[in-house]
Amino acid sequence: DVKVTQSSRYLVKRTGEKVFLECVQDMDHENMFWYRQDPGLGLRLIYFSYDVKMKEKGDIPEGYSVSREKKERFSLILESASTNQTSMYLCASSPLDGRGNNEQFFGPGTRLTVL
Amino acid sequence: EDKVVQSPLSLVVHEGDTVTLNCSYEVTNFRSLLWYKQEKKAPTFLFMLTSSGIEKKSGRLSSILDKKELFSILNITATQTGDSAVYLCAVDSWGKFQFGAGTQVVVTP
Repeated sequence: DVKVTQSSRYLVKRTGEKVFLECVQDMDHENMFWYRQDPGLGLRLIYFSYDVKMKEKGDIPEGYSVSREKKERFSLILESASTNQTSMYLCASSPLDGRGNNEQFFGPGTRLTVL
Repeated sequence: EDKVVQSPLSLVVHEGDTVTLNCSYEVTNFRSLLWYKQEKKAPTFLFMLTSSGIEKKSGRLSSILDKKELFSILNITATQTGDSAVYLCAVDSWGKFQFGAGTQVVVTP
């Protein structure tokens, strides 16, 4: 059974704190993604990665950074958390398949509240 | 600027009704369009569409893509309360996924 796991389901942090959100997949997928989901805005792509040590900015990278030191793990970092980063964060992975099989598998999400 | 627009934003139907959800898009380098269902947890995959006019079907759900008019529809027939969810449309631009805001469907008994 394929699985994407995220380190926390709920997280409460204070403004200015450094926050680490961890994502691990066990499907040997090349591609990994971080999204945030807010009411009325759908999922917005923060960063994605095609390979180890490789990262690409998504649509809203400001205030975030990422790290991919191992294929199975993709970390999202909030260097100095702010209240407008309160959101649901979703991690996903997908295979790199030349036939076009690009279904994304999602983790359960981390609901982050910044006070 | 790439965009994916879903309509309606929400709807309420009675069990047994048929619903049609719309997804229109404007993206560069289109590869595929995907539909997901999201209940109170992570989105789960429904369909991936790459070619125009070919209907994908799974039980009471079906979907079709029109690459000329740049839209897709998702149909749910004989709705059940378990179909209540947010339905998300996403377009894959060769690895970068753009999501719509979603359509919230509520099916009442």
